[in-house]
Amino acid sequence: LAKTTQPISMDSYEGQEVNITCSHNNIATNDYITWYQQFPSQGPRFIIQGYKTKVTNEVASLFIPADRKSSTLSLPRVSLSDTAVYYCLVGGHTGTASKLTFGTGTRLQVTL
Amino acid sequence: DAGVIQSPRHEVTEMGQEVTLRCKPISGHDYLFWYRQTMMRGLELLIYFNNNVPIDDSGMPEDRFSAKMPNASFSTLKIQPSEPRDSAVYFCASSLDTLNYGYTFGSGTRLTVV
Repeated sequence: LAKTTQPISMDSYEGQEVNITCSHNNIATNDYITWYQQFPSQGPRFIIQGYKTKVTNEVASLFIPADRKSSTLSLPRVSLSDTAVYYCLVGGHTGTASKLTFGTGTRLQVTL
Repeated sequence: DAGVIQSPRHEVTEMGQEVTLRCKPISGHDYLFWYRQTMMRGLELLIYFNNNVPIDDSGMPEDRFSAKMPNASFSTLKIQPSEPRDSAVYFCASSLDTLNYGYTFGSGTRLTVV
């Protein structure tokens, strides 16, 4: 399992861009990088997934450098409703439960 | 699509009682996962199924926990007997495959064992 390291918490003002970086130094060749968002009293929600370079969807962008040892989730112009915990996962299809484990996540607090 | 449906949303039970949590995955999803979330341990994978067959239950904490998937549209997680340390939010998720990691989670069942 490629261990991930994220900041425990981040604060931002509404309207700013937020970048959350995840370190995964021992990422394997077959591993994908996936980010989830979790609001209180809800299950995690899939945000974005990538393998290399940059991926963008209607919610966020994911930047992955060439060595893939880290990744950055970018949330453009956050609002109060983006206050949540963000999880970085690294893994692929291995058939083992350890590959499907969430880390501690980053608690993002957005204020006015 | 109604998404992944879990029931009940909240469950309060006394220590020693049997507890059954239920999950209906998204139609067509071949994988079903049971997770447990606590403040201390975060989100833990308990077990997952592929095409109704348990693939890996190494995350199940002990023999008091059991999970079944009798058909593609229904799964249960049972705790017997329940203990206060089992208090947590239990999530069910389903997915087309594990490679994609595009899991869809249910709203969870908050279990309190007193």
